[in-house]
Amino acid sequence: EMQLVESGGGLADPGRSLRLSCTASGFTFADYGLNWFRQAPGKGLEWVGFIRSNTFSGTAEYAASVRDRFTISRDDAKSIAYLEMNSLQIEDTAVYYCSREDFALGYAMDVWGQGTTVIVSS
Amino acid sequence: DIQMTQSPSSLSVSIGDSVTITCRASQDITGYLNWYQQKPGKAPKLLIYAASRLQPGVPSRFSGRGSGTECTLTINGLQPEDIATYFCQQSFDSPPITFGQGTRLDIK
Repeated sequence: EMQLVESGGGLADPGRSLRLSCTASGFTFADYGLNWFRQAPGKGLEWVGFIRSNTFSGTAEYAASVRDRFTISRDDAKSIAYLEMNSLQIEDTAVYYCSREDFALGYAMDVWGQGTTVIVSS
Repeated sequence: DIQMTQSPSSLSVSIGDSVTITCRASQDITGYLNWYQQKPGKAPKLLIYAASRLQPGVPSRFSGRGSGTECTLTINGLQPEDIATYFCQQSFDSPPITFGQGTRLDIK
């Protein structure tokens, strides 16, 4: 079964850092790009960022709201993607999801993690 | 950035109803439009990709159509397990990936 599992969420003070992990199983992680999304309480889905597979440079892109604060990386040997979140703000409070982007499905996201909750509060 | 406008934002429905949700893009997205279902406390689930292709395992009462700037998701014969929020998402031009605001279905 193809699966993504996020971890690392929790409570953080404003200005502090957290690192989320997204662990894959059941498919060849290295072959896929990986997105991070977030969803604030009662709100819609917001794209956070994306990391390409190493076949396509392994580079990352970010939403303007997190650029310069968040960093996405990947370890294909461990089938894990990371979202390093620095200088956290109250507005970063959300459930964070990772998802696999499948070019064969027109770049739709066909596998999602269950989400991990980040609460930024003093 | 491509803006996605989804309507309606909410809909009161009865079991057995046919439901249609519309998503409009701010520019031609040539069918790169995906639909997701999200239930409370759960991750989104892919229903339809490339505007009209049913993801394996999704019931055939779900269908999608459209091209250009407008796409629709139709549920024929709504079932209790279909009560959820539905999002459209364009994958034509990213980053950024953009979603519609969501359509929440609830029981009339």
